[in-house]
Amino acid sequence: DIQMTQSPSSLSASVGDRVTITCRASQKIDIYLNWYQQKPGKAPELLIYSASTLQSGVPSRFSGSGSGTDFTLTISSLQPEDFATYYCQQTYTFYTFGQGTKLEIK
Amino acid sequence: QVQLVQSGPEVKKPGASVKVSCKASDYRSLRYGVTWVRQAPGQGPEWMGWISAYSGDTNYAQRLQGRVTITTETSTSTVYMELRSLRSDDTAVYYCARVLEVPAHGRWFDPWGQGTLVIVSP
Repeated sequence: DIQMTQSPSSLSASVGDRVTITCRASQKIDIYLNWYQQKPGKAPELLIYSASTLQSGVPSRFSGSGSGTDFTLTISSLQPEDFATYYCQQTYTFYTFGQGTKLEIK
Repeated sequence: QVQLVQSGPEVKKPGASVKVSCKASDYRSLRYGVTWVRQAPGQGPEWMGWISAYSGDTNYAQRLQGRVTITTETSTSTVYMELRSLRSDDTAVYYCARVLEVPAHGRWFDPWGQGTLVIVSP
């Protein structure tokens, strides 16, 4: 099975900050990497697919990059509604999610 | 945008079975299939399995093989997930989601149902 490791597991930041979350795959997965945002009590929502393609309707302050084994999700200027938990997901071989990064208000 | 509406919460005893439904507002939009994902309290999501909405072909996570069955009922635009021999560690929120795919770009899950809480307790 392909393992996905996110770092950090939690992060405190302020509105307006630039934030980067990292996801590492246990083997190469090309660009088959997606990012989701989940708020408490809600289902995950797709942010980015194919490592760097922004889902329709997602603000442009979100961006993704990477290929192979190392990927990043960047939020250029945090907004109050961005405080949530973020998950990466590989779809190279079946599907595996990272353990999540909880983004909290400092 | 298709909507997926799931059945309500369930409380089951260990050893029992649970069947969760997922009704699609537009079954034609499910051409790449429907997947089921569960999320235990405080944990990341775990993929359970996938079904083709048209052929009925399925794939299941290896660790759940033999306990999970995903089926479709095209007449009602509904997909079902049944989990048998329930244990306490099956307590989780269960989600269905539409699978989308673009060749050479991969697959992703969008949208998701609202989730169904299943509690397994003596």
